[in-house]
Amino acid sequence: GDSVTQMEGPVTLSEEAFLTINCTYTATGYPSLFWYVQYPGEGLQLLLKATKADDKGSNKGFEATYRKETTSFHLEKGSVQVSDSAVYFCALSESTGRRALTFGSGTRLQVQP
Amino acid sequence: NAGVTQTPKFQVLKTGQSMTLQCAQDMNHNSMYWYRQDPGMGLRLIYYSASEGTTDKGEVPNGYNVSRLNKREFSLRLESAAPSQTSVYFCASSARDSYDEQFFGPGTRLTVL
Repeated sequence: GDSVTQMEGPVTLSEEAFLTINCTYTATGYPSLFWYVQYPGEGLQLLLKATKADDKGSNKGFEATYRKETTSFHLEKGSVQVSDSAVYFCALSESTGRRALTFGSGTRLQVQP
Repeated sequence: NAGVTQTPKFQVLKTGQSMTLQCAQDMNHNSMYWYRQDPGMGLRLIYYSASEGTTDKGEVPNGYNVSRLNKREFSLRLESAAPSQTSVYFCASSARDSYDEQFFGPGTRLTVL
């Protein structure tokens, strides 16, 4: 079945550092890809998405490119802030059927001042 | 718009007790989902409902039942709670398209003693 693998955390960075969180996937068909963010004590919020190969999703300075050849969707940000501290989930959506999300295990990011 | 709401926020049960988690959305979405979140495992799909009047099992349905009461509401019932059901439960909804994001509720933290 479909699966998502993302790098384990926690990832600890200093403010203004460059961020990369790796995500790779296995899927049949042509899934849509998502990054969700979960702040402490809250539900998940969509950060960005990409619906086809070579699409780049972007939001709030974060970017990720849908790479079909490497089955990857790595999350990047050029300069992180303390307020970016959260858990980040990579996910894919089935292209047919129930359209449920398959999630990676999550990566906790801690940004220090 | 309230988005997706869930009640209760916290609950402690004893083994064998029953309870119902409530979820409602005001976005006129067709599809609704129940996930559980466990440490290091991301979110896993329990049940979903593609439209009013239909429900189907997800990845981890054992020990749960659901009811899609109407288009707005989708409840999750634990008939006889077990410690293995200690988790954080999230309800989500979407407009039923693989390109569409899922909107998540704030979650219910359940502890079964």
